[in-house]
Amino acid sequence: DAKTTQPNSMESNEEEPVHLPCNHSTISGTDYIHWYRQLPSQGPEYVIHGLTSNVNNRMASLAIAEDRKSSTLILHRATLRDAAVYYCILRDPMDSNYQLIWGAGTKLIIKP
Amino acid sequence: GAGVSQSPSNKVTEKGKDVELRCDPISGHTALYWYRQRLGQGLEFLIYFQGNSAPDKSGLPSDRFSAERTGESVSTLTIQRTQQEDSAVYLCASSLVGNEQFFGPGTRLTVL
Repeated sequence: DAKTTQPNSMESNEEEPVHLPCNHSTISGTDYIHWYRQLPSQGPEYVIHGLTSNVNNRMASLAIAEDRKSSTLILHRATLRDAAVYYCILRDPMDSNYQLIWGAGTKLIIKP
Repeated sequence: GAGVSQSPSNKVTEKGKDVELRCDPISGHTALYWYRQRLGQGLEFLIYFQGNSAPDKSGLPSDRFSAERTGESVSTLTIQRTQQEDSAVYLCASSLVGNEQFFGPGTRLTVL
């Protein structure tokens, strides 16, 4: 699986939008971009994933660059409950074990 | 509905002892993963089970680590002759093949 690069940490104010960047310059044509987040003292939880087109769900939006070498997870209105470590992960569905290769993620700090 | 459960939630053991960690996946999920997460780091893949296929053990760090799964249900991760470096949170996840992974709360292992 290709590697992703994320900032170590980011801060945002409550009630404001948050844009979490991820670089994946060596992404292959079949890699999906997945985002998970891990709240303190909990296991990770799925947020969103996409291939080429931008994606929206109840939790967030995923904006994918046209060349797919970067993506941005968008939280439209951050709350204190969104404070977590956010992981950007590439996964090729053709891989036989579907394992996710995890980096260190971005620690998102929400200020009240 | 029940999510992924793990037990115990915390385990403190002495160096050299064996430990057994348990994971109950979501019913119907054929895929099951074990990960290790050291403090402040991302997840490290250990092992993957898919149905009745041979497990992918490529992430197990040494022969002291082993895991079993009975059919498509409970899995146990066993660490023999524990070392202080084994101290970490051990996370289990299950999924339908190729779909998002659902994580348990983890077992925090402390080796004294």
